[in-house]
Formats: sequence, structure tokens, C-alpha cells
Amino acid sequence: AQSVAQPEDQVNVAEGNPLTVKCTYSVSGNPYLFWYVQYPNRGLQFLLKYITGDNLVKGSYGFEAEFNKSQTSFHLKKPSALVSDSALYFCAVRASPPRGSYIPTFGRGTSLIVHP
Amino acid sequence: DTEVTQTPKHLVMGMTNKKSLKCEQHMGHRAMYWYKQKAKKPPELMFVYSYEKLSINESVPSRFSPECPNSSLLNLHLHALQPEDSALYLCASSVGTNVDNEQFFGPGTRLTVL
Repeated sequence: AQSVAQPEDQVNVAEGNPLTVKCTYSVSGNPYLFWYVQYPNRGLQFLLKYITGDNLVKGSYGFEAEFNKSQTSFHLKKPSALVSDSALYFCAVRASPPRGSYIPTFGRGTSLIVHP
Repeated sequence: DTEVTQTPKHLVMGMTNKKSLKCEQHMGHRAMYWYKQKAKKPPELMFVYSYEKLSINESVPSRFSPECPNSSLLNLHLHALQPEDSALYLCASSVGTNVDNEQFFGPGTRLTVL
């Protein structure tokens, strides 16, 4: 079985400050980790993914995420938040069958609010 | 063309109506998905098509009927829905069903069942 936990329903940060949205995962085998963002009344938009290689992954709009195997985490970060970053963020994990499922398992989502 | 389009954007239907949702992508992707999403919740997988064949049905009630006429199109036929089926219906596609393939989502159809 595979699972994802996003421990925070909401993250509040002031514009210009660094932001972190947390994600931890549980899989059997190698994880394939993804971050998606959803703006109001829109579909999900792919931000970045970790497949293998460097633990620090860079993605769209200045976001990056760090894969930490020992802590089974894949936290999303940005050095300087913008008001326009305010949205719902989903972490997702996939893993190779038969111990995992190629169908992504999504976390419950974290609402990021960036205050001017 | 790097987007997934969905029509209509909004749909209001009665419990006795029959309607269809449409999804289209021209990225050459061979995997397409239907998801249901309630407000501020993660998307819930309904169906997966791989190479135009239904590969996964997540125990979805028969009042939802998917169809994949060709590699670019995905439909979701709706009949005798219940008010609890009101949600945002998202279509997504990916290159294939490999575990390292990210998904591209459409903007969704906001469905209201009266």
C-alpha cells in the first residue's frame, strides 16, 4: 500500500518570506513523488517531480522540493513567497507494481495563504 | 498544444437527465483519467484508460459511463445522477501509465445535480 500525509491543512506566510509545505510518504519500493498546485476553480497543475538522482528538485514558478529518504519526506519550498502563490497544494506518490500502484495516491491537500 | 480541454465548464442537471462530459488532449498521451473532486479535497480516481481501453474502474456506480472514442477524446456519460454526485469532474492525461509520468489536468466541469 502507498500513502501520503500532508500534516497541515493550511499554511500562512507573509509575502517575501520563505515557505514550506510538508509532505511525508509511505511506499514499498522506490517512490515517485509529485507536487501539484490547484488555483480556485481550476484543475491541478504539475509543479515538479522526484524520480531519481539529485535530492533537490527544481520546478515551475521558483518552487523546489527536497527528497529525504531517511525521513520519507518530500517538502515543497520556495525562498520568497508571492501573494499569487496562494492556492491548494497536493503531494502525490506513485510506486511500481506489484508492491505499489502506478495510480497516484494524493495527499489531502494544504491550503497556502500568502499575506501581502 | 500542451493542454487538456473540458466541456462544458458548468453543468446543471436533474436526476432524470442524461448528459455527457467531454475531454480532449492533443499531446499524444495514451493514458487518460476521470477524477471526481469535492471542495478542498483531493481528487478521487474514477476511471483510467490506457491505449483507449478501460484499465481501471474504481468501483464507480453504473450511472457514470466512460467512453474513449479515440486516443484524443474521453467522454463521461451521466444518467440518473444523485445530488451527492455534485462535484468538480476533472479529466487528466499522461504520456502513459508509467510511474514517472506526471499528469496533465483539464480545468474541470463543475456539475450540479438538482
